[in-house]
Amino acid sequence: AQSVTQLDSQVPVFEEAPVELRCNYSSSVSVYLFWYVQYPNQGLQLLLKYLSGSTLVKGINGFEAEFNKSQTSFHLRKPSVHISDTAEYFCAVSDWDGNKLVFGAGTILRVKS
Amino acid sequence: DAGVIQSPRHEVTEMGQEVTLRCKPISGHDYLFWYRQTMMRGLELLIYFNNNVPIDDSGMPEDRFSAKMPNASFSTLKIQPSEPRDSAVYFCASSLFGGAYEQYFGPGTRLTVT
Repeated sequence: AQSVTQLDSQVPVFEEAPVELRCNYSSSVSVYLFWYVQYPNQGLQLLLKYLSGSTLVKGINGFEAEFNKSQTSFHLRKPSVHISDTAEYFCAVSDWDGNKLVFGAGTILRVKS
Repeated sequence: DAGVIQSPRHEVTEMGQEVTLRCKPISGHDYLFWYRQTMMRGLELLIYFNNNVPIDDSGMPEDRFSAKMPNASFSTLKIQPSEPRDSAVYFCASSLFGGAYEQYFGPGTRLTVT
């Protein structure tokens, strides 16, 4: 089965600073990659996804991610974070059957003023 | 559309009791997923349905758990009997086509088994 590693469990950052949340996945074959965000006491919502094509994917709220096949990575970035970006972020990869998603353990982003 | 609806939002029950969680997916979505989220194990897929048919239940922890989807607009996840280790947040999500398509998550049901 596929696996996803999110290298940082928590990332503290000051407001307006850039941030990168790291994600590595286990397979080198074609996969679909996703980033979801979970705000406190809410369900997950999609930030962005990579299916094919350009390796730089832009999502909502100013986030973007870069797909790197050789390094099997899909890191999430934002050039300037806001307090409202404080949340938990999950990287996910499609599993072999194409319908299931395997989620990473999550990274809590804490934006400080 | 109102999004994915789950009920109840919170459930507190005693060990040994039966618990039923409910989900109404977004209309027109062909796929429905049940997840469990805990601090220790993260977000785990329990089971998913395609067109009301269970496709993969390999994530269901044991026979105490069962899930049904009697029609396209309703699904249940039942735990009988419940145990304290079942305490978690249970999410339902639906997707138009599955796979590469966005999964829309409900707000979750926080289950506490005492």
